[in-house]
Amino acid sequence: NAGVTQTPKFQVLKTGQSMTLQCAQDMNHNSMYWYRQDPGMGLRLIYYSASEGTTDKGEVPNGYNVSRLNKREFSLRLESAAPSQTSVYFCASRRISGSFGNEQYFGPGTRLTVT
Amino acid sequence: GEDVEQSLFLSVREGDSSVINCTYTDSSSTYLYWYKQEPGAGLQLLTYIFSNMDMKQDQRLTVLLNKKDKHLSLRIADTQTGDSAIYFCAESFSGGYNKLIFGAGTRLAVHP
Repeated sequence: NAGVTQTPKFQVLKTGQSMTLQCAQDMNHNSMYWYRQDPGMGLRLIYYSASEGTTDKGEVPNGYNVSRLNKREFSLRLESAAPSQTSVYFCASRRISGSFGNEQYFGPGTRLTVT
Repeated sequence: GEDVEQSLFLSVREGDSSVINCTYTDSSSTYLYWYKQEPGAGLQLLTYIFSNMDMKQDQRLTVLLNKKDKHLSLRIADTQTGDSAIYFCAESFSGGYNKLIFGAGTRLAVHP
């Protein structure tokens, strides 16, 4: 099992450019999440998908869109990148049942710089 | 509202115990978690405690939960250089999308 994979690992964009961050999981999890991590702050939830075919906003959704393409894949799109979106982006997926309750598995992250 | 706070930095000598502290504001959480993040990597779940427990031990890790003071701690015995990382505590809430609220992370530096 690869777990949660993300592409690309690094990306530099100019202000106004668009791009899509890809995420896939092979653990047959129903729920998937996109977070951003900024220095000195905890992870903040951008969007989540409780199950295939559904997506909902998290704490900081402005400037982003998502697509839950199928059970495995959950992509994050920046339509018009801004310097404030410079961050490290993490995708996660979650087991529904099990002893942990809300154990989330994280991908390795995408480091995005917007100039 | 929900808020999780941690001190930002801790330095310990190799072989000593490390204690990383966390306070939270919302007592309705169901589980509390500790995640570890090594440089350039994603978060890895280290351990967790259910909100009706006081203590949990898992090899070198001991988690203590004081619900009255809303205080969570992670003790790492015999700290090694491989334990150098950022440690995040997180609260989990049932209902809705079962959100996780993270602290800002504590950077643990282990020196010889």
